[in-house]
Amino acid sequence: DIQMTQSPASLSASVGETVTITCRASENIYSYLAWYQQKQGKSPQLLVYNAKTLAEGVPSRFSGSGSGTQFSLKINSLQPEDFGSYYCQHHYGTPYTFGGGTKLEIK
Amino acid sequence: EVKLEESGGGLVQPGGSMKLSCAASGFTFSDAWMDWVRQSPEKGLEWVAEIRSKANNHATYYAESVKGRFTISRDDSKSSVYLQMNSLRAEDTGIYYCTRPLTGAWFAYWGQGTLVTVSA
Repeated sequence: DIQMTQSPASLSASVGETVTITCRASENIYSYLAWYQQKQGKSPQLLVYNAKTLAEGVPSRFSGSGSGTQFSLKINSLQPEDFGSYYCQHHYGTPYTFGGGTKLEIK
Repeated sequence: EVKLEESGGGLVQPGGSMKLSCAASGFTFSDAWMDWVRQSPEKGLEWVAEIRSKANNHATYYAESVKGRFTISRDDSKSSVYLQMNSLRAEDTGIYYCTRPLTGAWFAYWGQGTLVTVSA
C-alpha cells in the first residue's frame, strides 16, 4: 500500500499568517492527491483534488502544489474559520490511504 | 443538494455483526461509485470499501484489514449503500462515513458519520 506521511503533525499560527502543510507519498502518485479539512465533530470536507484543483466553494487563499511524491497545501492569510485538522489522501487507485493529519491551532 | 445519511451504528460485542446503511439523495445514485471511510483516534482516517456503478459491474474493493469480514453492497432502487460487518474486533471501533467519490476517487461528499463501538 502507498503510505502518506504528513508534516507537521501540529501547527500553531495566528490569523493573517501564511502556513504550509506537506505530504509525502511512499511512491509516485503523479498528481492523484486530495486535501481535506475537518472541524471538530464534523465530517471531512474536500479542499483540493488532483494536487492543485480547488474544490467548489473553496476560497482562493488555499492552494495545492506538487507531483510525484512531494505535495503541499498552502493557506495564505489565515482566517479564524481555517483552524482545524487537515488530511491528505492519494486517489491513485485502491487502497486509498490518508496522511496522519495536521492539527492547525490558533496561536 | 447531495445528501448522505448513515444509520445502523451502535455498540456490539467482539465477534459480533452489524450492518450499516447509507441513504443517498441529490444525484443519480445508479451512476455513482460509493465508499465507506472510517475514523478512529488510533488509526486516523482509513478507507474501508468501495462499490462501483452498474456500468463497472458493481465491482467491489476492500481494505486488507476488513477483507473477508466486511461486505459492501448497494440497492440502486433505494439509492442506498450498505456495509455488512462480521467478526467485529475492537480495532473496528470508530466513526463510519459514507462517501461519494467523484471521477478520480477524491471524496467530494461525506455523510455525518455513524459511531460503531466494538466492546464487551
